[in-house]
Amino acid sequence: GAVVSQHPSWVICKSGTSVKIECRSLDFQATTMFWYRQFPKQSLMLMATSNEGSKATYEQGVEKDKFLINHASLTLSTLTVTSAHPEDSSFYICSAELGQGWNGYTFGSGTRLTVV
Amino acid sequence: GIQVEQSPPDLILQEGANSTLRCNFSDSVNNLQWFHQNPWGQLINLFYIPSGTKQNGRLSATTVATERYSLLYISSSQTTDSGVYFCAPDDYKLSFGAGTTVTVRA
Repeated sequence: GAVVSQHPSWVICKSGTSVKIECRSLDFQATTMFWYRQFPKQSLMLMATSNEGSKATYEQGVEKDKFLINHASLTLSTLTVTSAHPEDSSFYICSAELGQGWNGYTFGSGTRLTVV
Repeated sequence: GIQVEQSPPDLILQEGANSTLRCNFSDSVNNLQWFHQNPWGQLINLFYIPSGTKQNGRLSATTVATERYSLLYISSSQTTDSGVYFCAPDDYKLSFGAGTTVTVRA
């Protein structure tokens, strides 16, 4: 089946540094990918929609300069948390829409970011 | 955006019991997806169901699009069913409910 591989699974970084999270579609082409954020015991909040070859569309309240999204190919989207602070600590999950011949969306395994 | 309400928020079951989870949504949607999030955070797709009923093993789902709700049935629950169940209506992007946390006790 269609798989989205997300790396790293977890990362600890110091305040002020940047962290890059990668999502790769392994056996299909993902024109559109989505990035979510999830706080403990809460639901998933959509941060942005990433389209291959164009600028990402950010949800209201999400700082685009803080969360840089790049979708340079049909199989790779990246989220970079710039100048991370402890309040950016969260669980980040990517998702891709399954295109023709499939149904729904598939999700990466998530990245747990801790900023110290 | 679409508002999603899931009930109950928490559910404790004895192994072998049956249960029903409900999802109400505020507007017409193209489709609806049910997920199970395991303790490690992985979201597992259960159903993609715009209307009607689908079954997969001990799980089944029914969506009544005209009345804007969907139900997830768990039969003969097992401890491995524990986790958070999310419904997410699809209107060109998913809107997640708050989830139902299911705990199945042996």
